Amino acid sequence: DVKVTQSSRYLVKRTGEKVFLECVQDMDHENMFWYRQDPGLGLRLIYFSYDVKMKEKGDIPEGYSVSREKKERFSLILESASTNQTSMYLCASRADINSPLHFGNGTRLTVT
Amino acid sequence: EDKVVQSPLSLVVHEGDTVTLNCSYEVTNFRSLLWYKQEKKAPTFLFMLTSSGIEKKSGRLSSILDKKELFSILNITATQTGDSAVYLCAVRPNTGNQFYFGTGTSLTVIP
Repeated sequence: DVKVTQSSRYLVKRTGEKVFLECVQDMDHENMFWYRQDPGLGLRLIYFSYDVKMKEKGDIPEGYSVSREKKERFSLILESASTNQTSMYLCASRADINSPLHFGNGTRLTVT
Repeated sequence: EDKVVQSPLSLVVHEGDTVTLNCSYEVTNFRSLLWYKQEKKAPTFLFMLTSSGIEKKSGRLSSILDKKELFSILNITATQTGDSAVYLCAVRPNTGNQFYFGTGTSLTVIP
């Protein structure tokens, strides 16, 4: 079974802090994704990575950056957290273009 | 603009009922449609559909796709309290790496 692990289930941060959300997958998948999930808006893609050090912006990249230094790890960085970044963040990976996404358990981030 | 719409937004049923969840889409250059179940954690994969008219089945859950009318349904028969969850529909186009998600249907099954 594919395992996608997000380092924190819940995080509370202050406005202006730099925040790191970590995601690790154990199936040697090349593709990894970061989504945020908000009520009434569904899942929206923040960033996608198709290989080590390779990334593409999704629909809502503003205020976020990502890092993929190793194949198994994909990090989402909030350079200066703001209250409108309070959300559920979901990491996902997939084996190839024809495969479904496999999600981590999510990180619920609250920015105060 | 590509979009995926799920209905109903929420549903409350009694154990043993049968439910039908709907997903309609407007996505350029369709590749596949996926269903996920989300309890209070990771969405878990249920089905991936690529061809019209072919039913996918897993236990009490089944799903079918209509590429002409641009929709899919997810059926759950003999519902149980463990079926309570948000069910997400996503569509994958042929180009790019995007998955377009609906906002989900929240299903509550009462004992």
